[in-house]
Amino acid sequence: GAVVSQHPSRVICKSGTSVKIECRSLDFQATTMFWYRQFPKQSLMLMATSNEGSKATYEQGVEKDKFLINHASLTLSTLTVTSAHPEDSSFYICSAGSHRGNQPQHFGDGTRLSIL
Amino acid sequence: ILNVEQSPQSLHVQEGDSTNFTCSFPSSNFYALHWYRWETAKSPEALFVMTLNGDEKKKGRISATLNTKEGYSYLYIKGSQPEDSATYLCACTTSGTYKYIFGTGTRLKVLA
Repeated sequence: GAVVSQHPSRVICKSGTSVKIECRSLDFQATTMFWYRQFPKQSLMLMATSNEGSKATYEQGVEKDKFLINHASLTLSTLTVTSAHPEDSSFYICSAGSHRGNQPQHFGDGTRLSIL
Repeated sequence: ILNVEQSPQSLHVQEGDSTNFTCSFPSSNFYALHWYRWETAKSPEALFVMTLNGDEKKKGRISATLNTKEGYSYLYIKGSQPEDSATYLCACTTSGTYKYIFGTGTRLKVLA
């Protein structure tokens, strides 16, 4: 089946650091990728939709200057958390697949981000 | 705002027991209902996608049903095994936005 690789799996860094998370589709081309965030005991919350070759679409309340998304190729989307602070500590996970809503998404393994 | 609810939040069952969980969602503008199985330290794995009222899907010992008029889906596991231990997520998409809205999941632990 389709494979999505997400890296790194775990990041611990100091406040003020920028952190880049990569999401790669290994055996298929992904024109659309989704970035989610999950806080403890809460559901996966969509942050943004990453579109190859164009600007990402951000959900309400998600700062686009804080969470930079780049989708420069059909197999790679990156999420950069700029100047991360402790409140940005969370679990971030990407998915790839059809944007039409009636197809399963293929997820990465997620990234646990801890900001000290 | 679309709200997807799952129950129970967690449960423990004995090996060999059958079990089921519920996913409820607003029925207006419904488009599709997804079930995922999420093992610790792995990525969520797609189980089923259902779109029509009355849909039933089956994969091995796991099956799911869909009622779009009343806004719920059941996931059934027959003869639970320890390897079934995971978090089971459901997600709903609506016509128009096609965004995936996830529930908080049901965490299943099957005791040997």
